[in-house]
Amino acid sequence: EPEVTQTPSHQVTQMGQEVILRCVPISNHLYFYWYRQILGQKVEFLVSFYNNEISEKSEIFDDQFSVERPDGSNFTLKIRSTKLEDSAMYFCASGIGRGHSPLHFGNGTRLTVT
Amino acid sequence: EDQVTQSPEALRLQEGESSSLNCSYTVSGLRGLFWYRQDPGKGPEFLFTLYSAGEEKEKERLKATLTKKESFLHITAPKPEDSATYLCAVQARKDDMRFGAGTRLTVKP
Repeated sequence: EPEVTQTPSHQVTQMGQEVILRCVPISNHLYFYWYRQILGQKVEFLVSFYNNEISEKSEIFDDQFSVERPDGSNFTLKIRSTKLEDSAMYFCASGIGRGHSPLHFGNGTRLTVT
Repeated sequence: EDQVTQSPEALRLQEGESSSLNCSYTVSGLRGLFWYRQDPGKGPEFLFTLYSAGEEKEKERLKATLTKKESFLHITAPKPEDSATYLCAVQARKDDMRFGAGTRLTVKP
């Protein structure tokens, strides 16, 4: 069964450094997402991406964040200058439709900012 | 504001002891309600989508139902491998899938 893959599984970085989290969505999916989950808290929406542009973003997704689909298979989340509070699990998801279709999630990247 | 509340926060069952998890929601214009299973250190794994009140979906020992205000995930004769956190999420606006905090289920042999 096709799946969403994310790399790395764990990233440790120092405060102020840039990180790039990578995802390969399911190949026939058209809609791509990033969510995050701070330890012990709810899964939270960050951003959605369709047709090579951001569709929607949450208040969390400020100017420090950016997303890109550099080629036909990868989808990346960049955090320009990491803060301690960015420490969380970051999940990539993809979906075949929009708004009412299920999302399929990867197993996440655990980001630790020291 | 859209809200999703799950109860109980944690549930411990003996193997074979059936029970139900609850998801109450307040949204404007529900487009879909989703159940996911999440194992420790993993991403949410899709289980069911429900679109309208009265709808039911089944998969093995799990059955999901939907009313206008809440959804239930019924677990019949659970096994230890059913132990996980079960997440409920609603889709109302375009892309922001709103998750509940989850119910952590433990099934003891």
